[in-house]
Amino acid sequence: SAVISQKPSRDICQRGTSLTIQCQVDSQVTMMFWYRQQPGQSLTLIATANQGSEATYESGFVIDKFPISRPNLTFSTLTVSNMSPEDSSIYLCSVAQDTFYEQYFGPGTRLTVT
Amino acid sequence: GENVEQHPSTLSVQEGDSAVIKCTYSDSASNYFPWYKQELGKGPQLIIDIRSNVGEKKDQRIAVTLNKTAKHFSLHITETQPEDSAVYFCAASPGKFYFGSGTKLNVKP
Repeated sequence: SAVISQKPSRDICQRGTSLTIQCQVDSQVTMMFWYRQQPGQSLTLIATANQGSEATYESGFVIDKFPISRPNLTFSTLTVSNMSPEDSSIYLCSVAQDTFYEQYFGPGTRLTVT
Repeated sequence: GENVEQHPSTLSVQEGDSAVIKCTYSDSASNYFPWYKQELGKGPQLIIDIRSNVGEKKDQRIAVTLNKTAKHFSLHITETQPEDSAVYFCAASPGKFYFGSGTKLNVKP
């Protein structure tokens, strides 16, 4: 399976600011995804990051709040914009080849908004 | 959309015993069912998966069973060890993943 890294691993941010999270994979992958995991909760898909085109967002998530870039097949970023305490969560990227199947997750970014 | 329910929410077993976690799903279009183990402070780790054309799959101490008619699937861990202690998530996939709410497994030495 691919080796996935995320930066930063954790951060504490002030309300109203933005944070960009990076996801790097050690091999080219077709599909990259961003998930949110609220404290003690399950995982919710935010969006699918498409290489060379706009991300596909799930219901309840919008591009203005969570802009995503995917400049190539090994890298993606998720920005959490105009943060509020409700954005405090773990943000995870995952990768897969060809389809949604066999997704492998990164270590996550633990975000606290004060 | 798909709805995945997972039980129990917590499970405590003695080392060496077996543990079973059950999930049900609602969408008959779901055809892929992975299980993830998440240790504290880490990302979820894919431990086993099953596709809808298979009824059972084993990997050493871990097995997954699928009943498409009843729309449920289960994770079985035999000879549990303290290092199996973690939160386990099931998911159902008609395309994108829908996760269960998680089971916190505690294996007591």
